[in-house]
Amino acid sequence: ETGVTQTPRHLVMGMTNKKSLKCEQHLGHNAMYWYKQSAKKPLELMFVYSLEERVENNSVPSRFSPECPNSSHLFLHLHTLQPEDSALYLCASSPGSWNTEAFFGQGTRLTVV
Amino acid sequence: GDSVTQMEGPVTLSEEAFLTINCTYTATGYPSLFWYVQYPGEGLQLLLKATKADDKGSNKGFEATYRKETTSFHLEKGSVQVSDSAVYFCALNSGGGADGLTFGKGTHLIIQP
Repeated sequence: ETGVTQTPRHLVMGMTNKKSLKCEQHLGHNAMYWYKQSAKKPLELMFVYSLEERVENNSVPSRFSPECPNSSHLFLHLHTLQPEDSALYLCASSPGSWNTEAFFGQGTRLTVV
Repeated sequence: GDSVTQMEGPVTLSEEAFLTINCTYTATGYPSLFWYVQYPGEGLQLLLKATKADDKGSNKGFEATYRKETTSFHLEKGSVQVSDSAVYFCALNSGGGADGLTFGKGTHLIIQP
């Protein structure tokens, strides 16, 4: 139990579908993150929320839309994705204070067909 | 900007062999350094950390020492087991929660019986 829970664990969606990934943390942290992990590539930071406000988006395509309704929940809304968006999507949280580690969920394995 | 460089592998060792995975970094200020481990189908788990120069992080027989003079944080273990087979990520955090962690590309470790 890492304190960060992601659902679903696996998702297959068509390019015209709309789906959402959910992340929940029970650690009382102030910052939450979405990372993308693709084969043969470094981890890519997609979005950062600190105290429920977005502070980073790293030029992520608009077909990915994050939402942070409160400090414990983070969503990633997906629409009109491409096959190259297939990857492991990892959510993480941290206390938000200086130089601290992040705690990761188990990830959602997304396949776009 | 910040960056982390680590050997990518795969690194293949026999059980009970000595392990070293090299990690060097470039960062502004005085970052905290981390090693994460990812088992197949799972998210990233924090393995160990060090927050200032000459600190040694240790956990589950793994060790790494924060070397500011060589900007390195090499991971070592004296006797590896088959269960240590995983992908290992070196990472740093030189800022607050708004920055996220900077990761290396990961090193795939394979331990053969």
